Amino acid sequence: DGGITQSPKYLFRKEGQNVTLSCEQNLNHDAMYWYRQDPGQGLRLIYYSQIVNDFQKGDIAEGYSVSREKKESFPLTVTSAQKNPTAFYLCASSPEGIQPQHFGDGTRLSIL
Amino acid sequence: SQKIEQNSEALNIQEGKTATLTCNYTNYSPAYLQWYRQDPGRGPVFLLLIRENEKEKRKERLKVTFDTTLKQSLFHITASQPADSATYLCASNPRGSTLGRLYFGRGTQLTVWP
Repeated sequence: DGGITQSPKYLFRKEGQNVTLSCEQNLNHDAMYWYRQDPGQGLRLIYYSQIVNDFQKGDIAEGYSVSREKKESFPLTVTSAQKNPTAFYLCASSPEGIQPQHFGDGTRLSIL
Repeated sequence: SQKIEQNSEALNIQEGKTATLTCNYTNYSPAYLQWYRQDPGRGPVFLLLIRENEKEKRKERLKVTFDTTLKQSLFHITASQPADSATYLCASNPRGSTLGRLYFGRGTQLTVWP
């Protein structure tokens, strides 16, 4: 079945560590997105990519980095510069144009 | 600044009634609006998309309207069921912004009781 796979489901980070969240899609979608969701808040866009080897900052990119070396993969690194990383992280993909986004089931990141 | 708002954080209705959720936007014109359903601990699932030149879209028990005068979209679930209980998110793409880039509201948590 086609879809988006995020791993791991739960992730713990020690202070000062970088961690990388995985996102893989087999939908052959051009665009991929990373969102952060906090309790009582809507989804906020961290980074997005419309094509391989290109990506743009969203509204809250500080303390995060991404890469898009392959069409099907869009990993997100939460760096030590992100002072409040505890959140639910969602990855999505979509075809080009006015299309719905397909979401993974998220990674919940916590600080030890 | 551009805003998309879902004014009700929670909505509780009885099974069989129609649930109506509201999404308002200010200081911009959406090219289109989308509605998603999100269950606890899961990613959102797409439900309906409506473009700026459309007044209404339907899918089974779901209906969405788009009123550019009121700057509002309404999402209706008719003959609601307990299984419809979830958080519903609206999202929009402002006209002139990168196509595909969405801004999400905070969501409305719907509870349908028997």
